[in-house]
Amino acid sequence: DAMVIQNPRYQVTQFGKPVTLSCSQTLNHNVMYWYQQKSSQAPKLLFHYYDKDFNNEADTPDNFQSRRPNTSFCFLDIRSPGLGDAAMYLCATSRDRGADNSPLHFGNGTRLTVT
Amino acid sequence: AQSVTQLGSHVSVSEGALVLLRCNYSSSVPPYLFWYVQYPNQGLQLLLKYTSAATLVKGINGFEAEFKKSETSFHLTKPSAHMSDAAEYFCAVSGYGGSQGNLIFGKGTKLSVKP
Repeated sequence: DAMVIQNPRYQVTQFGKPVTLSCSQTLNHNVMYWYQQKSSQAPKLLFHYYDKDFNNEADTPDNFQSRRPNTSFCFLDIRSPGLGDAAMYLCATSRDRGADNSPLHFGNGTRLTVT
Repeated sequence: AQSVTQLGSHVSVSEGALVLLRCNYSSSVPPYLFWYVQYPNQGLQLLLKYTSAATLVKGINGFEAEFKKSETSFHLTKPSAHMSDAAEYFCAVSGYGGSQGNLIFGKGTKLSVKP
């Protein structure tokens, strides 16, 4: 089945140690998104790629970066994780950005713990 | 600017009872509205969406929602709750006119279903 796959499901990193989360999709969708969801809070969009075009949200900290080397893969890099960055990170895709098109398809998320 | 308010962070119903999850929105443009469901340790799954067509929207798993412009509401209902409906539900509004790219999510309502 076509899907969005996030690896790993659980990631533990040390305070200040760079960490990379990965997302892959077999849907051939143009758009890939990264959301941060802290405990008991709503998902918050960090940034998205429309094809190769990177779109950063205004309030996303510089500590968070992303790479999309090809259509299928997208990475979230946290350069110096702090305790406040512990959260579930959700990757999502959509065929296009319009709401009339296919909906967002979410992966199962990576839960990041910072020690 | 768009925003979403979900009334009640936790709703508990008995199996077979009516499910009503409340969502009110604020939008400066005609809104696109969505309900997503999240099961524990999983990503979000689209239940249904309103995109300016019929005001009563039917979704998956027997859920439906009615768009009421006069009340700025988009409440989610299901006539008869099932144990498998226990999950967290998020209402969302599109940030730009229809774009799913920056969905503004509510804080979520956790639904418990008692046997």
